[in-house]
Amino acid sequence: DAGVIQSPRHEVTEMGQEVTLRCKPISGHNSLFWYRQTMMRGLELLIYFNNNVPIDDSGMPEDRFSAKMPNASFSTLKIQPSEPRDSAVYFCASSFRTTSNQPQHFGDGTRLSIL
Amino acid sequence: EDQVTQSPEALRLQEGESSSLNCSYTVSGLRGLFWYRQDPGKGPEFLFTLYSAGEEKEKERLKATLTKKESFLHITAPKPEDSATYLCAALNRDDKIIFGKGTRLHILP
Repeated sequence: DAGVIQSPRHEVTEMGQEVTLRCKPISGHNSLFWYRQTMMRGLELLIYFNNNVPIDDSGMPEDRFSAKMPNASFSTLKIQPSEPRDSAVYFCASSFRTTSNQPQHFGDGTRLSIL
Repeated sequence: EDQVTQSPEALRLQEGESSSLNCSYTVSGLRGLFWYRQDPGKGPEFLFTLYSAGEEKEKERLKATLTKKESFLHITAPKPEDSATYLCAALNRDDKIIFGKGTRLHILP
């Protein structure tokens, strides 16, 4: 079975550029989560979707961040304009959400470096 | 504010030397306590979910336990392949999941 697929695996770009991270959840999963992981703050939930609808975006740091889920098999996280402090590993996860305490399955992340 | 704190931050053990990792939580209305394993360059991999105090779950050399204030991940006779970062996460009554910062475990052969 294919797991959660994220692209790109690595992204290096200059400050001020737009960055788009992509995620394909596990087929049949109806919840999708975006996280950011840093040494300082650990793993932080940014936003999650149920049935393609954003439910809680309170973890999104600021208006420079936006996320979309146009269909059940694709989501994007966009940063515009990017800043050096956005450098981190960004993870996407999905779950089959019959109840909210179902385990999440993570992709292998996108390592983002903003110069 | 809901919090999850893991200790120790890092742990080095000899192969075969059993130990426990701690996850202390302060969460409103715990709905689930999760343990994940994360290898370098990879995403977290699900291990266990615990729902109520007194519950225990086992998988190979790992056993997770839960009380009203903390969870333990017991590792019995670990092997070098058990080396990883172990993450604990709590789900609160508002459906918010809060992760701890993890324990980096290194098993020496």
